[in-house]
Amino acid sequence: DGGITQSPKYLFRKEGQNVTLSCEQNLNHDAMYWYRQDPGQGLRLIYYSQIVNDFQKGDIAEGYSVSREKKESFPLTVTSAQKNPTAFYLCASSTWTDMNTEAFFGQGTRLTVV
Amino acid sequence: SQQGEEDPQALSIQEGENATMNCSYKTSINNLQWYRQNSGRGLVHLILIRSNEREKHSGRLRVTLDTSKKSSSLLITASRAADTASYFCATDAILGTGNQFYFGTGTSLTVIP
Repeated sequence: DGGITQSPKYLFRKEGQNVTLSCEQNLNHDAMYWYRQDPGQGLRLIYYSQIVNDFQKGDIAEGYSVSREKKESFPLTVTSAQKNPTAFYLCASSTWTDMNTEAFFGQGTRLTVV
Repeated sequence: SQQGEEDPQALSIQEGENATMNCSYKTSINNLQWYRQNSGRGLVHLILIRSNEREKHSGRLRVTLDTSKKSSSLLITASRAADTASYFCATDAILGTGNQFYFGTGTSLTVIP
């Protein structure tokens, strides 16, 4: 089945550690996105990528890093510089050049700092 | 930055009633979309309405768009307990040759059996 897969579903991190969240899609989409969701704040864009080997900062990129070495994969690293990393992280993909396209989402990764 | 704001933040209705939620946005758009999120899950696309459309239907969903007021509404008719979820509007933004999605803060809908 075509879709977008995030792993793991739950992740626990000790303070001061970096952690990487996985996102893989087999929809042949050019664009991929990472969002952070906190209660009552909706979705905020962290990073997006429109093509392999290229990515752009979103509204809240500080403390995060990404890579796009393959079209199918867009991993997000939450670094120790992120002051409040506990949140629900959502990865999405879409076509890039079609103006009326929808975003397809993974099931999310809930990150908790312990 | 977030583009949309949903209203109300939370809505509780009886099964069989209609549910209406509203979305306001700030800038010109090509389209507006509505998504649904079950608790702790990813978002699922429900419906897209283009800027030159005023109303669109899909099953029990009815979406309206008023570009002069920069607002949209989502109506769910004959609600069911399974409709309990959060609903988000999203608008697009053209970035060079591509697009991006801006999401609102969501409306939490509870349908009581």
